[in-house]
Amino acid sequence: RKEVEQDPGPFNVPEGATVAFNCTYSNSASQSFFWYRQDCRKEPKLLMSVYSSGNEDGRFTAQLNRASQYISLLIRDSKLSDSATYLCVVNESGGSYIPTFGRGTSLIVHP
Amino acid sequence: DAGVTQSPTHLIKTRGQQVTLRCSPISGHKSVSWYQQVLGQGPQFIFQYYEKEERGRGNFPDRFSARQFPNYSSELNVNALLLGDSALYLCASSLDPRNSPLHFGNGTRLTVT
Repeated sequence: RKEVEQDPGPFNVPEGATVAFNCTYSNSASQSFFWYRQDCRKEPKLLMSVYSSGNEDGRFTAQLNRASQYISLLIRDSKLSDSATYLCVVNESGGSYIPTFGRGTSLIVHP
Repeated sequence: DAGVTQSPTHLIKTRGQQVTLRCSPISGHKSVSWYQQVLGQGPQFIFQYYEKEERGRGNFPDRFSARQFPNYSSELNVNALLLGDSALYLCASSLDPRNSPLHFGNGTRLTVT
């Protein structure tokens, strides 16, 4: 079973829509969580960290559900420029702390 | 401040050759990680170094090796290249691998023919 799972999509939404992505992880001892954005043929860039109490950055909201072992990313009022692949990252713990990536969810925002 | 820098940007090699990729972390970052990314997949973990010691190794063959230097820069070596090694190789640095986010370089795109 893959350690970090994401629906690859693509999610195809109109401008202004609200879209949510989930990411599940298998290691219950995982300590830290992040969302990254990756544009085509570019490196991943940190979008936001995910805190236990949930956190918001403008149109973006991240949440952590430890009981069900998933993190989520909500994007409100989608813009064309939000089109990208969104990668969740889980820091696996237990001796070493290896950031493990999901395969990414593709988002396409159309006019 | 300079971000993570990687060199070269692009590389074309033939099967059986060897390649060395280089990475300089953000100033003050002591952890460097290497990832391999093929099209349509998330980055796959290869190595992590922290304070010049190997702290983790992913599921890659022994043809892959790496090291971290006293100035925290790092090299990734791949011997006996295979066609399947063609990928984007990403280097990332962080302050502390336990809880700090990764900051990526632009990557090295390796093509093996």
